[in-house]
Amino acid sequence: QQQVRQSPQSLTVWEGGTTVLTCSYEDSTFNYFPWYQQFPGEGPALLISILSVSDKKEDGRFTTFFNKREKKLSLHIIDSQPGDSATYFCAASRNYNQGKLIFGQGTKLSIKP
Amino acid sequence: GPKVLQIPSHQIIDMGQMVTLNCDPVSNHLYFYWYKQILGQQMEFLVNFYNGKVMEKSKLFKDQFSVERPDGSYFTLKIQPTALEDSAVYFCASSPSGDEQYFGPGTRLTVL
Repeated sequence: QQQVRQSPQSLTVWEGGTTVLTCSYEDSTFNYFPWYQQFPGEGPALLISILSVSDKKEDGRFTTFFNKREKKLSLHIIDSQPGDSATYFCAASRNYNQGKLIFGQGTKLSIKP
Repeated sequence: GPKVLQIPSHQIIDMGQMVTLNCDPVSNHLYFYWYKQILGQQMEFLVNFYNGKVMEKSKLFKDQFSVERPDGSYFTLKIQPTALEDSAVYFCASSPSGDEQYFGPGTRLTVL
């Protein structure tokens, strides 16, 4: 059973547009949600993260929103750039300290100039 | 950001042989993790390690798997003996205090 579901599987956005990636989860005990960006041949790089006590966190062009009631989160990228083309993973953890991460299947994002 | 290194980047071995995957974590990090990713699937947690001990392991962490970090050197994942289904990319991660995890570039293991 997929504990963290991510959509869409792939996405193409025009340069300058806004990218929206979404995740949903099953377990209400999850309390930490990081987003990772992965380029081909590299490991995932931590992009932004949010705790379940918050509903929004912003870092430059990247904003993550969290909806506890609906068990959903999203990543918004404004002014999307070709350099943002990568695979994005959402993840969840039941224990902010020490806990294992449970990953979604990833969204392959392509930004077209 | 902080860099985690993994050696080798690619390893090919025959089924039944032993393999050791090496991770050089960020120097002041205290928590260490291994994840497994089969091609086209999501990354899955194997094990985490703190203060010389396994804290938690998943059902993917079979009896043939072991981890250690002798004397603050590499954090290693050993598989003995290997099986065909062990073919995957293995990612190491480290964390300063158990919160944010920083990943290495992965080791692609091919078991023939």
